[in-house]
Amino acid sequence: QKEVEQDPGPLSVPEGAIVSLNCTYSNSAFQYFMWYRQYSRKGPELLMYTYSSGNKEDGRFTAQVDKSSKYISLFIRDSQPSDSATYLCAMSAALGYGNKLVFGAGTILRVKS
Amino acid sequence: GAGVSQSPRYKVAKRGQDVALRCDPISGHVSLFWYQQALGQGPEFLTYFQNEAQLDKSGLPSDRFFAERPEGSVSTLKIQRTQQEDSAVYLCASSSTTGSYEQYFGPGTRLTVT
Repeated sequence: QKEVEQDPGPLSVPEGAIVSLNCTYSNSAFQYFMWYRQYSRKGPELLMYTYSSGNKEDGRFTAQVDKSSKYISLFIRDSQPSDSATYLCAMSAALGYGNKLVFGAGTILRVKS
Repeated sequence: GAGVSQSPRYKVAKRGQDVALRCDPISGHVSLFWYQQALGQGPEFLTYFQNEAQLDKSGLPSDRFFAERPEGSVSTLKIQRTQQEDSAVYLCASSSTTGSYEQYFGPGTRLTVT
């Protein structure tokens, strides 16, 4: 079993919909949680970062972390066709000294206009 | 400013050939990571450099994989005697300090072994 599980989709939604993306994890040492967006044939780019449990909002994006359930979510409001990409959750046990990231498999999102 | 660059962007190798993949991190970035991303999967950690020191190579899948960063800037990932299972996108990422959570990724090198 992988340390981080993520439904690969694809998830197809109409423009303007609210999108919910999720990951579960098994390693209780993870404290830093990130969401990356990856367009086709590009490298991942950081969208959201959260430390420990709680919510964080940035524009149309909200990240939630529930450490008690080992469950993280990313919500996208008013989704746009330009949001069509692969969304990767990533986690780290500690910052510094090689804070290697452990990624989920990625969820493919398609927003239809 | 310039981001992380990688070359070549695409590489086709015959099984058994050696390949070298180059990463140019953002200038001044201390930390450099290599990840391997198989088709339909998320990136998986290969190795980590802090300046020129390779501090973690726990993710390298076999002794055919070797990485170096001799002057603490450009890094090269070398794969000897390539196998079909080495086909993947190889991503390089850098971050400004050892304590930074944000890793900046390059576009990757897509390696296809035939």
